[in-house]
Amino acid sequence: ILNVEQSPQSLHVQEGDSTNFTCSFPSSNFYALHWYRWETAKSPEALFVMTLNGDEKKKGRISATLNTKEGYSYLYIKGSQPEDSATYLCASSNQAGTALIFGKGTTLSVSS
Amino acid sequence: NAGVTQTPKFRILKIGQSMTLQCTQDMNHNYMYWYRQDPGMGLKLIYYSVGAGITDKGEVPNGYNVSRSTTEDFPLRLELAAPSQTSVYFCASLRTSGNYEQFFGPGTRLTVL
Repeated sequence: ILNVEQSPQSLHVQEGDSTNFTCSFPSSNFYALHWYRWETAKSPEALFVMTLNGDEKKKGRISATLNTKEGYSYLYIKGSQPEDSATYLCASSNQAGTALIFGKGTTLSVSS
Repeated sequence: NAGVTQTPKFRILKIGQSMTLQCTQDMNHNYMYWYRQDPGMGLKLIYYSVGAGITDKGEVPNGYNVSRSTTEDFPLRLELAAPSQTSVYFCASLRTSGNYEQFFGPGTRLTVL
């Protein structure tokens, strides 16, 4: 069983602030790292799937990086908006199609 | 495509009752998963399936059973409901081409009293 850790557990920022959070995962037998955005009372929505060391992906104001050798990924949000308020989950897998192991998430709250 | 659908959305059970949580996907995905979400605990994998006729245990399988007779359906069975099974249950399927994106259903909120 993999152990995926996320930090911080929660975060509160002002509108317009940029922020980032961390996901750490076991680097041995790594296959893929997933980031999800999870709004209250909804189901998780996929943001990124990354597999290669050094991968960087971007979707609008949100971007993510991956370091498979040291076992961490960063999620960045530039110019946070209230609609970015959600829990951001990361999950790691060690083989294609097998179980994703999720971290506990980072809950972001953005005040206007 | 409807994506991943789950029924029911809400359910209250008495201790010892049984029920089946339904999950269906219309994306022809071979891989399907059941998770439970408890406050402060993130998502925990209960069971998963890599194709019709194949299932495997996840992190927290005790008290649950699954079957996968078709590609589309992956029901989760609770035989003797216990208060510890009060949770929100999410079904998901995985696209194994392209970026291996996992798609989640809307969830089933179960309360066992």
